[in-house]
Amino acid sequence: KQEVTQIPAALSVPEGENLVLNCSFTDSAIYNLQWFRQDPGKGLTSLLLIQSSQREQTSGRLNASLDKSSGRSTLYIAASQPGDSATYLCAVYPLGTGGFKTIFGAGTRLFVKA
Amino acid sequence: DVKVTQSSRYLVKRTGEKVFLECVQDMDHENMFWYRQDPGLGLRLIYFSYDVKMKEKGDIPEGYSVSREKKERFSLILESASTNQTSMYLCASRATGYTEAFFGQGTRLTVV
Repeated sequence: KQEVTQIPAALSVPEGENLVLNCSFTDSAIYNLQWFRQDPGKGLTSLLLIQSSQREQTSGRLNASLDKSSGRSTLYIAASQPGDSATYLCAVYPLGTGGFKTIFGAGTRLFVKA
Repeated sequence: DVKVTQSSRYLVKRTGEKVFLECVQDMDHENMFWYRQDPGLGLRLIYFSYDVKMKEKGDIPEGYSVSREKKERFSLILESASTNQTSMYLCASRATGYTEAFFGQGTRLTVV
């Protein structure tokens, strides 16, 4: 059974620091992996989608990498800002499910101090 | 910009009431989903739909039903609301296949 783990559960950093959020999954048979951001009391905002044939994706200050064989993905945030404070979730799309049974991690709550 | 819109941000309903949560997407996506999110339990799939009038149960369908009469609209129905259905409800949509998912802003439902 596929499991997705995000460690740490919470992280506090000073403004301007570069940081890495981790996502690990137990079964490498995935099609895609997607990173989301969630602000308190709100829905999920898509940040990056990495297809299994890709190793990384970039959007602005965000860079996500994927290593399927080791079951790991990282989200790198450069020059963090207080506005980056949110919960970050990763989700995997297992092969053979048609994209209907997404498995989400519990998230990492990030706090960037001004 | 892609958009998934949920009809309410906050709802307060009484036990036993029939509750409708509405979700509309403007991306012509085939697939739509309803999740609930609870502290310590994460996101759990309630129902999904892969076409108009087609629906499939997710992991926790008990106490819920859904309706998809038009491609852009997916409704979640609580037949008789109970306090254990107090939660954040999230709607999502996605094109066919393993494509990027887009979520609505969420509905915080409180059943008293």
